[in-house]
Amino acid sequence: NAGVTQTPKFQVLKTGQSMTLQCAQDMNHNSMYWYRQDPGMGLRLIYYSASEGTTDKGEVPNGYNVSRLNKREFSLRLESAAPSQTSVYFCASSSQGRETQYFGPGTRLLVL
Amino acid sequence: GNSVTQMEGPVTLSEEAFLTINCTYTATGYPSLFWYVQYPGEGLQLLLKATKADDKGSNKGFEATYRKETTSFHLEKGSVQVSDSAVYFCALTPRGNEKLTFGTGTRLTIIP
Repeated sequence: NAGVTQTPKFQVLKTGQSMTLQCAQDMNHNSMYWYRQDPGMGLRLIYYSASEGTTDKGEVPNGYNVSRLNKREFSLRLESAAPSQTSVYFCASSSQGRETQYFGPGTRLLVL
Repeated sequence: GNSVTQMEGPVTLSEEAFLTINCTYTATGYPSLFWYVQYPGEGLQLLLKATKADDKGSNKGFEATYRKETTSFHLEKGSVQVSDSAVYFCALTPRGNEKLTFGTGTRLTIIP
């Protein structure tokens, strides 16, 4: 059972470059989330999707866009990367709000 | 707004010691409360949860009790093992809202 998968595991970008982080879940969950984890800050919600076709901003959405491609997949796009976006990014999913969230292994992003 | 405050880390204990990691929260109504654990190089996984006042969540020898009167959800374990070394996050979801709010995390190291 794969659970939540994320690609890539690690990426180095130059300032101004763009990239898309991919996330997929095989648990038939309705809700999906993107977080970033920074030292001393815990995890902060970037965007979430309560169901296929819907997305909503979280605490730190600036500089990011998302696409809920279908029920399984939820991608995060950085259009013009900045050093402040250096972080570890986690995708998560849950069957519905307030239920347990299941996390992927993370993508470590370094923006030079 | 909603917030979670955890005790500052890092915490270093000897094997078989008693563990307490403090967590207090601010939220309206009756949020659901969670403890997540992150082992080195991995994503977060749910350790335990409680959804109403006086509920006790437990798993793998860890326990936490939902205390409405003190707005607390402290994590305890009677005898820690080296394998418990990880980062522990306290989190909440308010009623009617599916967004998780995390504390900053507490790094725990157990030495043999």
